[in-house]
Amino acid sequence: GAVVSQHPSWVICKSGTSVKIECRSLDFQATTMFWYRQFPKQSLMLMATSNEGSKATYEQGVEKDKFLINHASLTLSTLTVTSAHPEDSSFYICSARSAGAKGGQPQHFGDGTRLSIL
Amino acid sequence: LAKITQPISMDSYEGQEVNITCSHNNIATNDYITWYQQFPSQGPRFIIQGYKTKVTNEVASLFIPADRKSSTLSLPRVSLSDTAVYYCLVGDLGAGNMLTFGGGTRLMVKP
Repeated sequence: GAVVSQHPSWVICKSGTSVKIECRSLDFQATTMFWYRQFPKQSLMLMATSNEGSKATYEQGVEKDKFLINHASLTLSTLTVTSAHPEDSSFYICSARSAGAKGGQPQHFGDGTRLSIL
Repeated sequence: LAKITQPISMDSYEGQEVNITCSHNNIATNDYITWYQQFPSQGPRFIIQGYKTKVTNEVASLFIPADRKSSTLSLPRVSLSDTAVYYCLVGDLGAGNMLTFGGGTRLMVKP
């Protein structure tokens, strides 16, 4: 149980393109989803927290107009990288937490999306 | 926020027990300690979670001293497939608090 699916797994596109990444909780409802970015050989850096039905909370230094997050349902959150540039190339990972989970319940991660901007 | 410190890398041999220690000096009362495993180009996989004392599951043990300022992930009899990056995570999602990842420990298991 507790499977999180990300799509696509790898995207290659030209500079200036907007790219949408989907994160789905397949067998549970997730009131909260998290979006991370990871550069090679570095740890995961939290970009934003996405709450179903409300605006996302962005971490300091993350441009909300650049990284649009939509959490329209309890099983789907999307991250759109708008007008992507080569410096946006990275590994983007989402995670989800079960609705009604108590403190300490772990989050479940997707397998990530590799974004390569040419 | 809890400041997380882990060794950058560790080497081991097949069949050995591996202990990876994570330091989290300013852990909050409600924070839990969670360990994840990550292979290249994959998302992190949950290994084990604890609050205090010792927790054991089918793949690992987690030792947490009384002051909770550190924790040790113990992997019994590692195999080559355990070569990965291991992350220590401290926080309390129940309170909506932000979670903090350590820098990760790159474990290399040699034959």
